[in-house]
Amino acid sequence: AQSVTQPDIHITVSEGASLELRCNYSYGATPYLFWYVQSPGQGLQLLLKYFSGDTLVQGIKGFEAEFKRSQSSFNLRKPSVHWSDAAEYFCAVGEYGNKLVFGAGTILRVKS
Amino acid sequence: NAGVTQTPKFQVLKTGQSMTLQCAQDMNHNSMYWYRQDPGMGLRLIYYSASEGTTDKGEVPNGYNVSRLNKREFSLRLESAAPSQTSVYFCASSGRAGVPGELFFGEGSRLTVL
Repeated sequence: AQSVTQPDIHITVSEGASLELRCNYSYGATPYLFWYVQSPGQGLQLLLKYFSGDTLVQGIKGFEAEFKRSQSSFNLRKPSVHWSDAAEYFCAVGEYGNKLVFGAGTILRVKS
Repeated sequence: NAGVTQTPKFQVLKTGQSMTLQCAQDMNHNSMYWYRQDPGMGLRLIYYSASEGTTDKGEVPNGYNVSRLNKREFSLRLESAAPSQTSVYFCASSGRAGVPGELFFGEGSRLTVL
């Protein structure tokens, strides 16, 4: 069965510092991979997705993620974090004909 | 554009009461979903509807029923609420049936069962 692990429950970074959120998945086939962001009191919004092709994908708000098949990882990165990036981030994995499975989420705090 | 609209946004129930969460989307999407979100557990799929007229169980369907009223609307019913159903519920839609593509989420319905 597919599963997603986000090892970090909370991460705190200083404004302007770089960010990397980790995501590992367990899957047999070629996965569809996603990162979503949830601001407080809001629904989830798609940041970026990977289906195939270039393993480095660009998303909205300056985020990017890299698919590494050998490590079963899809880590999210941003070179310089802004205070408005404080939110909860979810990694998700799916396959054709199946449904998305979400990780438990990572809460990002940004300190000024 | 409204996107995905959920009602109500907040609800408090007593154990054993029933209620229905309503969801409507105006994006002409085929697929609709109901998730629950609990701290430290991410989002778990309750039920989904791949297309109008079909519904299927997700990961945690016990205690819930759904109705795909038409292409726009997908409701979630709790027949006899239990404290374990205290959660935030999200409705979502997707335009690409069979392909786990981009989900569009509503703002959530926070339910407390006393």
